[in-house]
Amino acid sequence: EPEVTQTPSHQVTQMGQEVILRCVPISNHLYFYWYRQILGQKVEFLVSFYNNEISEKSEIFDDQFSVERPDGSNFTLKIRSTKLEDSAMYFCASSFDRLSSGNTIYFGEGSWLTVV
Amino acid sequence: QKEVEQNSGPLSVPEGAIASLNCTYSDRGSQSFFWYRQYSGKSPELIMFIYSNGDKEDGRFTAQLNKASQYVSLLIRDSQPSDSATYLCAVLTQGGSEKLVFGKGTKLTVNP
Repeated sequence: EPEVTQTPSHQVTQMGQEVILRCVPISNHLYFYWYRQILGQKVEFLVSFYNNEISEKSEIFDDQFSVERPDGSNFTLKIRSTKLEDSAMYFCASSFDRLSSGNTIYFGEGSWLTVV
Repeated sequence: QKEVEQNSGPLSVPEGAIASLNCTYSDRGSQSFFWYRQYSGKSPELIMFIYSNGDKEDGRFTAQLNKASQYVSLLIRDSQPSDSATYLCAVLTQGGSEKLVFGKGTKLTVNP
């Protein structure tokens, strides 16, 4: 069964460093997402991406965050200058079409980011 | 602020019993409702989705939606120890948003 793959599974970084989390969405999917989950907290939406541009973002997704689809397969989340409060599990997800049209979102296994 | 509320639990049921998980949401215009299962340290895994008022059954799982009461529930029949996990309710709100709003989840333990 096709799946969303994420790398790395776990990354430890020093505060202030840049981090890039990578994702390979399911191959025929058109919509891509990043969510995050701070330990013990809710899963929170960060950003959705379609047709090579951001279609929606949350208030969490400030200027420190960016997303990119550098080639036909990868989808990346960059955090420019990490803060302690960025420590969380980051989930990449994809869907074939719009969720509001009845499509299903598929989550990757997550990248656990620890900022020290 | 569009909210999704769940009783955090823990909810403990014996093996073979029915587990009942509840969720309320604040945005009356919400269109789509999802139940996910999340094992510790893992990603959310879709169990069911429901769009229309009433019940929707899939194997041992039944989702129930009442839009007038802004309430969605998940029943798990013949609960198994492997069902022990955190169950997340997620809502797709109105206005064409593609953002899922999650509840904090209810931790379910099924005791053998």
